[in-house]
Amino acid sequence: GAGVSQSPRYKVTKRGQDVALRCDPISGHVSLYWYRQALGQGPEFLTYFNYEAQQDKSGLPNDRFSAERPEGSISTLTIQRTEQRDSAMYRCASSFSGSYNEQFFGPGTRLTVL
Amino acid sequence: KNEVEQSPQNLTAQEGEFITINCSYSVGISALHWLQQHPGGGIVSLFMLSSGKKKHGRLIATINIQEKHSSLHITASHPRDSAVYICAVNPNYGGSQGNLIFGKGTKLSVKP
Repeated sequence: GAGVSQSPRYKVTKRGQDVALRCDPISGHVSLYWYRQALGQGPEFLTYFNYEAQQDKSGLPNDRFSAERPEGSISTLTIQRTEQRDSAMYRCASSFSGSYNEQFFGPGTRLTVL
Repeated sequence: KNEVEQSPQNLTAQEGEFITINCSYSVGISALHWLQQHPGGGIVSLFMLSSGKKKHGRLIATINIQEKHSSLHITASHPRDSAVYICAVNPNYGGSQGNLIFGKGTKLSVKP
């Protein structure tokens, strides 16, 4: 049984470019979460899905950030026109269902915007 | 003020010592999680609890809902326990279902 996987593990991009970060949750997990973690800080919530429906996107910092999970499995977090302040570790987690369930975390994608 | 506060921020212990990490929160919650972040960056869930006490091996987690406080204890600490320990809560406001609010973490170093 594979855990949560994310790709790429590392991404270096130039300011102004668009990036797409992928998350493949544990098979059968209904809920999928995206978090962002700055160096030396705890993670902060970005958005989450139940199946293909985006339930809460209140943590997305601005409209350059978007996420989708079109078939209720793999999810993509897209950042358009990247800025240096977007540099962080982006983590994905999944759980069997939304409320009161353990979340399993992926290894993260380290994004560096030059 | 952060909704989830942890103390201490950094902790150095000698092998074998009993360790306590504290977490206080200011929101209503449906559950509280203790997570371990390894030096390599991976995050592992240690406990999820909404009342009382849970124990896994040398780790014990307690929660007091009335006082909005939880503690993580490590008995007979070992250098391999060195990691960042993060407290996180499921808030029960605004219809939230499952998203977590995280503390900043406690960096633990256990010296041999």
